[in-house]
Amino acid sequence: EIVLTQSPGTLSLSPGERATLSCRASQSVSSGYLAWYQQKPGQAPRLLIYGASSRATGIPDRFSGSGSGTDFTLTISRLEPEDFAVYYCQHYGSSVFTFGPGTTVDIK
Amino acid sequence: EVQLVESGGGLVQPGGSLRLSCAASGFPFSGYWMNWVRQAPGKGLEWVANIKQDGGEKYYVDSVKGRFTISRDNAANSLYLQMNSLRGEDTAVYFCARVRAVGGMVWHDYWGRGTLVTVSS
Repeated sequence: EIVLTQSPGTLSLSPGERATLSCRASQSVSSGYLAWYQQKPGQAPRLLIYGASSRATGIPDRFSGSGSGTDFTLTISRLEPEDFAVYYCQHYGSSVFTFGPGTTVDIK
Repeated sequence: EVQLVESGGGLVQPGGSLRLSCAASGFPFSGYWMNWVRQAPGKGLEWVANIKQDGGEKYYVDSVKGRFTISRDNAANSLYLQMNSLRGEDTAVYFCARVRAVGGMVWHDYWGRGTLVTVSS
C-alpha cells in the first residue's frame, strides 16, 4: 500500500511569494497516477494538476507540478489571495486511491 | 455542464444505516468510473469506494469493507453508497467524484459539494 507524506504541514507565506509543496510516496509510483487538489473551507476539492505535471482546465499558469519516482512538488510561483487553502496530493494504484494528509498554505 | 449532487446524509445512531445518492448530469454517466471520498470534520480526504462503468468491479477502503456497498444505476444517472453498521468514525462529509482515466493517467476531475453524515447517539 502506497503511503503519501506531504510537507510541510503548514506553510505561512505572504501574497506574491513562491510556495513549494512536497509530496513523497512510500515507494516509487507512476507519475501518471499523481494528482494535486486545492480545497477551501466548506468547498469540494478542486483539481489542479494531473499526471504529476499537467495543469487542469482553467488553472492559472502560476500553478505547476513536477517530480517522479517518490518525490513530487507543487509550486505556486506567486501567491494570490485566493490561493490560501489546503493542498492534497493523491495517488491511484491497483484500483485504489490514496490521499496525502495535506499542506495548509496560510497568510503570514 | 457536469454536475454531481449528493443527498441522503443526516444524523444516524451508531449501528444504524444510511443510503447516500449522487445525481449526475451533463456527461455520459455510464462511461465513467465513479468514486466516493469522505472527509471527517477538520481532517483530510479519504477515498472510500469506487465502481466501474458497468458496476462489474467495486473496490473499498479496508475500514468500510463488509459494511458499505457502492452501486450505480446508469439508466437513472445515479451513484449510491449503502452504509450499514455505522460507527462514530464514519462521521464525515461524503463527496462523489468522477474518475477520469486517459493515456495512463488517472484523476478526479469533477466533485459534488458533499453530504454530511453524522453518527452519534
